[in-house]
Amino acid sequence: GAVVSQHPSWVICKSGTSVKIECRSLDFQATTMFWYRQFPKQSLMLMATSNEGSKATYEQGVEKDKFLINHASLTLSTLTVTSAHPEDSSFYICSASRATGYEQYFGPGTRLTVT
Amino acid sequence: QKEVEQDPGPLSVPEGAIVSLNCTYSNSAFQYFMWYRQYSRKGPELLMYTYSSGNKEDGRFTAQVDKSSKYISLFIRDSQPSDSATYLCAPGGTSYGKLTFGQGTILTVHP
Repeated sequence: GAVVSQHPSWVICKSGTSVKIECRSLDFQATTMFWYRQFPKQSLMLMATSNEGSKATYEQGVEKDKFLINHASLTLSTLTVTSAHPEDSSFYICSASRATGYEQYFGPGTRLTVT
Repeated sequence: QKEVEQDPGPLSVPEGAIVSLNCTYSNSAFQYFMWYRQYSRKGPELLMYTYSSGNKEDGRFTAQVDKSSKYISLFIRDSQPSDSATYLCAPGGTSYGKLTFGQGTILTVHP
């Protein structure tokens, strides 16, 4: 149990366009979902935390108008990168946790390349 | 000073060796402790988690937490080439649900 999927796994987009990444918990209800960003050979950087039905809480320095997060149900959260630029190119990973524990279960990640 | 310090390695060991991976942390408010394994270009996989000081064993893996010295360890017995990955310690508890990740230790187990 505790499987999290992400879609797409890899996306290339042109500068100025928007990209949406989906994160789904497949076999459990995720009361909280997290979005991370990871640069090569670096650790995970938390971008935001979202609870179902509530506005996301963004970490300091993360532009909430650029990285739109929606947690519409207990199994789905989306991250939309608006007006993407080459510096937004990165590995984006979501995680989800149940109401009964603090363990986070991660998706496989989405590699975004902005040209 | 970072909240969580982890030696990035890289660490290279022969197959069958016992591997010791370690983290120190500065925030005494951390209440629970996770270890993740991450293969290249993949999402992290939860290996072990514990909510208290002491040892927890699962197969070839043992997680050890010493809250008094703020020290976290992961031991891997009979290491295999398939254990080659980056290992991340991640304590949490300062803010609901959030984890603070160490830098990660790159481990290579060679046949």
